[in-house]
Amino acid sequence: EPEVTQTPSHQVTQMGQEVILRCVPISNHLYFYWYRQILGQKVEFLVSFYNNEISEKSEIFDDQFSVERPDGSNFTLKIRSTKLEDSAMYFCASKNKISPDTQYFGPGTRLTVL
Amino acid sequence: SQQGEEDPQALSIQEGENATMNCSYKTSINNLQWYRQNSGRGLVHLILIRSNEREKHSGRLRVTLDTSKKSSSLLITASRAADTASYFCATVPGGGYNKLIFGAGTRLAVHP
Repeated sequence: EPEVTQTPSHQVTQMGQEVILRCVPISNHLYFYWYRQILGQKVEFLVSFYNNEISEKSEIFDDQFSVERPDGSNFTLKIRSTKLEDSAMYFCASKNKISPDTQYFGPGTRLTVL
Repeated sequence: SQQGEEDPQALSIQEGENATMNCSYKTSINNLQWYRQNSGRGLVHLILIRSNEREKHSGRLRVTLDTSKKSSSLLITASRAADTASYFCATVPGGGYNKLIFGAGTRLAVHP
């Protein structure tokens, strides 16, 4: 069964460094999302992406964040200058038009900012 | 309070018992979904109920939706130790088909 994959599973970085989190959505999906979950807290929406552009973003998704679909299969989240409070689990999700309401989530990348 | 609040926050039961989790939300919705998360893992979609539906079943899962009260419940019947996980409700706000708004979740522990 197709699934969303994410790499790396765990990323440790120093404050101020740039990180890129990678996701490979399910191949026939057209809508892509990033969410994050700070330890012990609820899952929060960051951004949605459709037709090669951002369709919606949250207040969390400030100028330090960007997303890209560079090659038709990968979907990346970049944090330009990480802060301690960016430490969280980051989930990628995708969905298609046939089942327009169900988002399929990847296993997540745990980002630790030191 | 925020969209998608679950109660109880934690639930501990014995195998074979039923587990009921509730979710309340604030704004109008297109649909409400329940997800499961094993400790430190990804989110697994369990079931979706649309705003014009009142009840839905999937295996041992039963979901109800009361749009007048802006609430939903998830019932897991005949629970198993493998059902131990966190369960989240997530709403898709009315007028859009994009972001999911998650609640804080219920941590379910099923003891053998």
